[in-house]
Amino acid sequence: QSALTQPASVSGSPGQSITISCTGTSSDVGGYKYVSWYQHHPGKAPKLMIYDVNNRPSGVSDRFSGSKSGNTASLTISGLQAEDEADYYCRSYTSSSTYVFGTGTKVTVL
Amino acid sequence: QVQLVESGGGVVQPGRSQRLSCVASGFTFSSSAMHWVRQAPGKGLEWVALISYDGSNEYYADSVKGRFTISRDKSRNTLFLQMNSLRGEDTAVYYCARGGTYSDFWGQGTLVTVSS
Repeated sequence: QSALTQPASVSGSPGQSITISCTGTSSDVGGYKYVSWYQHHPGKAPKLMIYDVNNRPSGVSDRFSGSKSGNTASLTISGLQAEDEADYYCRSYTSSSTYVFGTGTKVTVL
Repeated sequence: QVQLVESGGGVVQPGRSQRLSCVASGFTFSSSAMHWVRQAPGKGLEWVALISYDGSNEYYADSVKGRFTISRDKSRNTLFLQMNSLRGEDTAVYYCARGGTYSDFWGQGTLVTVSS
């Protein structure tokens, strides 16, 4: 159950687009459509941003989108805003019927 | 509205036990799978355990298997995490979260500190 690999940090200026990658294996990310993304501000409850690779829950801005290619899933934030500054985590279902999170990415708005 | 409220955290000595609770409201608890997720100080989120909607299936991370037990009481709309043989590396904020393949609601977390 090794953590999925994410970049430690990604930054961008307001209005720009950024993409966070989440790399696993064929036993997790590559094998299932059950990849979700969470936004986490320290001290608060994590918030679901994307589920089942590319679906957005009601109430989440359409500036957030998800995709997957092979063993790598991605979260794209377009029109970056100051409020988007947070930690982001991917999570995937695995072939062991368990779940695994990514290592986490700190997004900084310059 | 959906609410998840964790409790039971605190300071516990290595090797001892602690039980966490998560009271659910605002949705049909008996229809939802539930997770426990933790975050150690300065670290990322770590998935801990999952229980199916009816309690018939349980799944654990390797790091807690054999020491932690997830359970639920539908009459009390409550999720539990029994933690035995606690270690320093179990020090973390523990969150309960609703859902199976994705978690759409989370509690605020409860801090467990394992220290002598």
